[in-house]
Amino acid sequence: DAGVIQSPRHEVTEMGQEVTLRCKPISGHDYLFWYRQTMMRGLELLIYFNNNVPIDDSGMPEDRFSAKMPNASFSTLKIQPSEPRDSAVYFCASSGQDSGANVLTFGAGSRLTVL
Amino acid sequence: AQKVTQAQTEISVVEKEDVTLDCVYETRDTTYYLFWYKQPPSGELVFLIRRNSFDEQNEISGRYSWNFQKSTSSFNFTITASQVVDSAVYFCALSEYNFNKFYFGSGTKLNVKP
Repeated sequence: DAGVIQSPRHEVTEMGQEVTLRCKPISGHDYLFWYRQTMMRGLELLIYFNNNVPIDDSGMPEDRFSAKMPNASFSTLKIQPSEPRDSAVYFCASSGQDSGANVLTFGAGSRLTVL
Repeated sequence: AQKVTQAQTEISVVEKEDVTLDCVYETRDTTYYLFWYKQPPSGELVFLIRRNSFDEQNEISGRYSWNFQKSTSSFNFTITASQVVDSAVYFCALSEYNFNKFYFGSGTKLNVKP
């Protein structure tokens, strides 16, 4: 398996624009997580899904953020409208029985810069 | 509430020195998992080890070893004979047994100088 695939790897946009980050989890994994990493706040859990259903979105900063998982092989994290304080690295991670219980496999991350 | 504390923000050592990264956790759960992840300069997060709360045996993997002590709520990570390639940020994490959430520490940046 190619691991967790995230796109784009880098995104530079202007304030007010819509940003969509994409994630393809490892096939067969039934949990998917979105994290945000900044120098100030470290690694923050934004939302996680189990079997495509959002379980906990309490970490989503505000209504400008939304996440979907329309099927087991694809998830998106959307920011609309984007703001400079959204600049961060966004990680997607997945987990399933094949990787061992509770072991997260992370994607390479999407580095977002909002000007 | 669950919490993971990595008090060492940054450590610098010279190659071949041994170094220990500290991790202290808080949880009310009796069953939980502890983890270490490595984040090299390239940015990806790499899984190193998982330990469940019932297994206090120390573990060694090559130059890496982990010391889990429930009595002090610590899960420390030692690198023996450090190498430049060990330079990275290391994260300790805790997860609930029913797999709800992971709680990450703030990370320790390890600089290994040649």
